Amino acid sequence: AQKVTQAQTEISVVEKEDVTLDCVYETRDTTYYLFWYKQPPSGELVFLIRRNSFDEQNEISGRYSWNFQKSTSSFNFTITASQVVDSAVYFCALSEARGGYQKVTFGIGTKLQVIP
Amino acid sequence: EAQVTQNPRYLITVTGKKLTVTCSQNMNHEYMSWYRQDPGLGLRQIYYSMNVEVTDKGDVPEGYKVSRKEKRNFPLILESPSPNQTSLYFCASSLRTHSYNEQFFGPGTRLTVL
Repeated sequence: AQKVTQAQTEISVVEKEDVTLDCVYETRDTTYYLFWYKQPPSGELVFLIRRNSFDEQNEISGRYSWNFQKSTSSFNFTITASQVVDSAVYFCALSEARGGYQKVTFGIGTKLQVIP
Repeated sequence: EAQVTQNPRYLITVTGKKLTVTCSQNMNHEYMSWYRQDPGLGLRQIYYSMNVEVTDKGDVPEGYKVSRKEKRNFPLILESPSPNQTSLYFCASSLRTHSYNEQFFGPGTRLTVL
């Protein structure tokens, strides 16, 4: 069963528009971590943010913000005033503890295209 | 510079010809992992290693082998590559095996098996 769902496979926005990337997860654990990674056209994967299951505070970092809601098992990512440099594939990931190690499950990714 | 390196970055090979993709990290990380990335499937874990000489299967281990003889290296071995192993491969490492550690990824290896 898919544990991390990124229902939006591709999104196109015009520069300066706001955009929200959805991430829905499922887990039976009470302690887990959620991540977002960015993969720009150059191909590397870059860590953006981590959130633990006990911290539902929203996080803002510049134009980026994250909304974690346990009630809906969602960890959505919003880019405000998007820029062309935001064009990338964004992956949401769930990390659970399994017998002393981390089990990481990635979503299929959302490709964001910001049009100038 | 702290990094994860992979070699080669690009490889075209033929069915059945054994190959190894190397992965090395210089951050003294305990946990290392291999993923493959395919369109519409995201990143899927092939194998992981919690420390030296400790490895285990991920979600898609068939057709792959790994070893972890030294902490810094985690090579991915394809004994008899097949066309369905054509993919983009990423090596990743994290400080510890705990679930809160973010992963640092290598630049990727694009493999084509003809």
